[in-house]
Amino acid sequence: GAVVSQHPSRVICKSGTSVKIECRSLDFQATTMFWYRQFPKQSLMLMATSNEGSKATYEQGVEKDKFLINHASLTLSTLTVTSAHPEDSSFYICSADDSPYTDTQYFGPGTRLTVL
Amino acid sequence: GNSVTQMEGPVTLSEEAFLTINCTYTATGYPSLFWYVQYPGEGLQLLLKATKADDKGSNKGFEATYRKETTSFHLEKGSVQVSDSAVYFCALSTPPKAAGNKLTFGGGTRVLVKP
Repeated sequence: GAVVSQHPSRVICKSGTSVKIECRSLDFQATTMFWYRQFPKQSLMLMATSNEGSKATYEQGVEKDKFLINHASLTLSTLTVTSAHPEDSSFYICSADDSPYTDTQYFGPGTRLTVL
Repeated sequence: GNSVTQMEGPVTLSEEAFLTINCTYTATGYPSLFWYVQYPGEGLQLLLKATKADDKGSNKGFEATYRKETTSFHLEKGSVQVSDSAVYFCALSTPPKAAGNKLTFGGGTRVLVKP
């Protein structure tokens, strides 16, 4: 149980285009979803927290107009990288929290974004 | 604020050796503590957790004990295998739902087990 999927697993795009990454909780309803960014050989950096039906809460320094997050349902959150540039190339990982009463997050397998 | 410090890697071991990865934390209140493992090219998997002082989390031969007096949560395994090669992250969560259950991660420790 508690499986989180991400799609696509890898994406390569040209500079200036937008890329959408989906995060789904497959067998549970996610009260909260989180988006992280991970640079090579580094730790995870929390970008934003989203709850279904409300606006995402972004961490300090994260551009909300560049990284659009939509949490359309209790099982789906999307991250759109708008007007991507090579410096946006990274590994993006989502996680989901299955209950407001527990503190365990379940992580997706990640999406490798490469911007040419 | 909350922070997690873990030993830098890489840690290179021979198969069947004993593994210890140190992790210490600073936090307000009484956080839950976690160890996550990341295999090459994959997302994170929860390895084990402990929610209160003196709790011991264990899974797949790994274990860690929540030590409030030393603010530590060191990860240990008595006999590692090649398949344990991965990056290990120590993490804590803020007091229940205080901030959306955000996780604070350590920097990660890369472990390489050689046959």
